[in-house]
Amino acid sequence: DTGVSQDPRHKITKRGQNVTFRCDPISEHNRLYWYRQTLGQGPEFLTYFQNEAQLEKSRLLSDRFSAERPKGSFSTLEIQRTEQGDSAMYLCASSLEDHYGYTFGSGTRLTVV
Amino acid sequence: AQSVAQPEDQVNVAEGNPLTVKCTYSVSGNPYLFWYVQYPNRGLQFLLKYITGDNLVKGSYGFEAEFNKSQTSFHLKKPSALVSDSALYFCAVSRGGGNKLTFGGGTRVLVKP
Repeated sequence: DTGVSQDPRHKITKRGQNVTFRCDPISEHNRLYWYRQTLGQGPEFLTYFQNEAQLEKSRLLSDRFSAERPKGSFSTLEIQRTEQGDSAMYLCASSLEDHYGYTFGSGTRLTVV
Repeated sequence: AQSVAQPEDQVNVAEGNPLTVKCTYSVSGNPYLFWYVQYPNRGLQFLLKYITGDNLVKGSYGFEAEFNKSQTSFHLKKPSALVSDSALYFCAVSRGGGNKLTFGGGTRVLVKP
């Protein structure tokens, strides 16, 4: 297993378009997390899953954002009607329940023009 | 609610000198504390964590951190800094294994030759 994979690495989109990112966690990890990081800031929690269940969503996750983990393996994060303020690095991480090892992916950098 | 403060935006140190990056936290219950490092356009790399036990935790690349419950601090230290340690460092707290991480705003470390 090569760790947490995120695709794409970079995405440039026009304002108003929809974008979707994918995260493939470490295969045996049942928890998956999404974070958003703006330039020079710390990552901010967006949402997390245990298997296919979405257990918590941050108030940062507006109704334009939706995340899924349909089969408890990979996850997708969709942003509808993108705005310039959505420009950020979107990080995915995975872990085991009741475990303290969080592994992060390299992130997807979104630029909205 | 849980929070992390990193009071210094940037720390400058000469190569070979000791490096300290400060972190204070707030969390209900027992804290689970982490340090991560981030290089440009990369994801987060785990350095070390405190779960329980000895207050001095040793981690990767010669880094260590000291947990101080009375001061609610978890400062990162390295006895002799290298130019290659120049990066962005994040402190994070969790309320338990598999729970979300809350990050500080980050401290940029610049090690000068």
